[in-house]
Amino acid sequence: GQQVMQIPQYQHVQEGEDFTTYCNSSTTLSNIQWYKQRPGGHPVFLIQLVKSGEVKKQKRLTFQFGEAKKNSSLHITATQTTDVGTYFCAGGRAGNNRKLIWGLGTSLAVNP
Amino acid sequence: KAGVTQTPRYLIKTRGQQVTLSCSPISGHRSVSWYQQTPGQGLQFLFEYFSETQRNKGNFPGRFSGRQFSNSRSEMNVSTLELGDSALYLCASSWGGGTNTEAFFGQGTRLTVV
Repeated sequence: GQQVMQIPQYQHVQEGEDFTTYCNSSTTLSNIQWYKQRPGGHPVFLIQLVKSGEVKKQKRLTFQFGEAKKNSSLHITATQTTDVGTYFCAGGRAGNNRKLIWGLGTSLAVNP
Repeated sequence: KAGVTQTPRYLIKTRGQQVTLSCSPISGHRSVSWYQQTPGQGLQFLFEYFSETQRNKGNFPGRFSGRQFSNSRSEMNVSTLELGDSALYLCASSWGGGTNTEAFFGQGTRLTVV
């Protein structure tokens, strides 16, 4: 079945370093959403990308949706300890707008 | 406005028992989705309810069932519990469901099966 692969699974960085997580789908997505889950918490919506090649920024976070709408990335510039958590991507399947396909998440640890 | 409320927050059950979890969505939201989260497995979709109808279902055995009431509150039931059912169960509500609307998650119910 269709999957959304997310890499890396884990990432340790020093505070101030950059961080990127990638999502890759085997088929075209209608849209992609990103969520963040803090340790012990629940997923919280960050952003949605819909258009081919779309780039959106939220302060130090940059989100991209690939031209073919099969991949996406989340880049954090100059990580802070508050960025710690697991970042999930979730793709909408083209032709079927009722179920999100979730990546397994990237867990980010930031050393102060 | 109030967020998504899940009860109970923690639950310990014995293998073979059954359990019912509850989710109250954000007021006005008609879609409720349920997920199972275990370490290393991410979020596994269980099912989605919209206006009291199951609109989508994941690949879980029939022991997992759910329902939605007219006020959009939803319950999830797991019968004949197995040790592998130990997980964090999350529900998410959204206004219309689908993949292009923001989902608001509850704090989850941590189920431990012993």
